Amino acid sequence: DAMVIQNPRYQVTQFGKPVTLSCSQTLNHNVMYWYQQKSSQAPKLLFHYYDKDFNNEADTPDNFQSRRPNTSFCFLDIRSPGLGDAAMYLCATSRPHSGSEQFFGPGTRLTVL
Amino acid sequence: AQSVTQLDSQVPVFEEAPVELRCNYSSSVSVYLFWYVQYPNQGLQLLLKYLSGSTLVESINGFEAEFNKSQTSFHLRKPSVHISDTAEYFCAVSESPGGTSYGKLTFGQGTILTVHP
Repeated sequence: DAMVIQNPRYQVTQFGKPVTLSCSQTLNHNVMYWYQQKSSQAPKLLFHYYDKDFNNEADTPDNFQSRRPNTSFCFLDIRSPGLGDAAMYLCATSRPHSGSEQFFGPGTRLTVL
Repeated sequence: AQSVTQLDSQVPVFEEAPVELRCNYSSSVSVYLFWYVQYPNQGLQLLLKYLSGSTLVESINGFEAEFNKSQTSFHLRKPSVHISDTAEYFCAVSESPGGTSYGKLTFGQGTILTVHP
């Protein structure tokens, strides 16, 4: 089945220790998104790619970076995680049209010690 | 810019009772409207969406939502809920064609629906 896969499902890191979360898709969608979701809050868009074109949200901290080496894979790098970065991180994909459904992965729950 | 308000953070109901989850939005441009469902420790799944045409849209599992342009609302309803409907529900909007933010979603805060036996 075509899908969005996120690894790992659970990630524990130490304060200030860089961490990378990964996302892959078999849907061949042009657009990939990274969201941060804190407990009982709406998903907050961090950035998205349209093919190789990177689009950063204005309020996304510099601590968050992303890479998309090819259509299938996208990575979220947190350079120096703080306690406030503990959250669920969701990857999603879609076709590049308004009204297109976004397909979400199961998420990676990040804990910062 | 758009914003979405879900008026109830939690909605407890008994099994087989009807339920309505409320969603209001504001936008300076035409929008598309979505409801997503999130089960515990999972990603979001599309429940239904309104793009154009009939203002009443339905999902395969008995939910429906009605787009009301004058009231800028897109409330989600189900006439009889099941235990398995327990989840968090998110209303979302995106700009319709011609906007500069293709596909980007703005989510509401979510409503936790808890169905009790």
